[in-house]
Amino acid sequence: KQEVTQIPAALSVPEGENLVLNCSFTDSAIYNLQWFRQDPGKGLTSLLLIQSSQREQTSGRLNASLDKSSGRSTLYIAASQPGDSATYLCAVRQTGANNLFFGTGTRLTVIP
Amino acid sequence: NAGVTQTPKFRILKIGQSMTLQCTQDMNHNYMYWYRQDPGMGLKLIYYSVGAGITDKGEVPNGYNVSRSTTEDFPLRLELAAPSQTSVYFCASTPDNSRIEQFFGPGTRLTVL
Repeated sequence: KQEVTQIPAALSVPEGENLVLNCSFTDSAIYNLQWFRQDPGKGLTSLLLIQSSQREQTSGRLNASLDKSSGRSTLYIAASQPGDSATYLCAVRQTGANNLFFGTGTRLTVIP
Repeated sequence: NAGVTQTPKFRILKIGQSMTLQCTQDMNHNYMYWYRQDPGMGLKLIYYSVGAGITDKGEVPNGYNVSRSTTEDFPLRLELAAPSQTSVYFCASTPDNSRIEQFFGPGTRLTVL
């Protein structure tokens, strides 16, 4: 069974700092990996989707990488802002499965 | 496009009561999903559907039922609410292609007392 882990569970950084969030998964047979942002009491907003054949995806200050063979993905956030404070979830879509397997998230706080 | 909409946003139930969580999408997506998120945890799949008239169990289906009579709607039914079903429920949808991202609704926060 696919297990998705995110470390650290929580992270606080000063504004302007670059940071990396980590996601690891146990089964490398995946279609894609998706990073989400979740604000308190809100739904999930999709940030980036990386296909299994891709190494990275970029959107603005966000860059996500994927190393399928080692079962790892990272989300890099450049020049962090207080508005980036949220919980970040990664989820993998496994080959042959219809659903996403989610990590437990990293709660990010950017201190002004 | 409204995307994926869910009603209600909040609900408190007594043990043993029943209710239906509504989910509607206007993107003509065939695939729809129900997840639950417990505090401090990731989302877990309850049920999913790959098209009208077709549903299947996910990881945590016990205590729930679903139906899919139209492409747009995918209601989730709780028949005998239990405190263990206190959670936030998210509905999601995606087109047929497995390489496309999933789109999520805003969630329904359910408390069973």
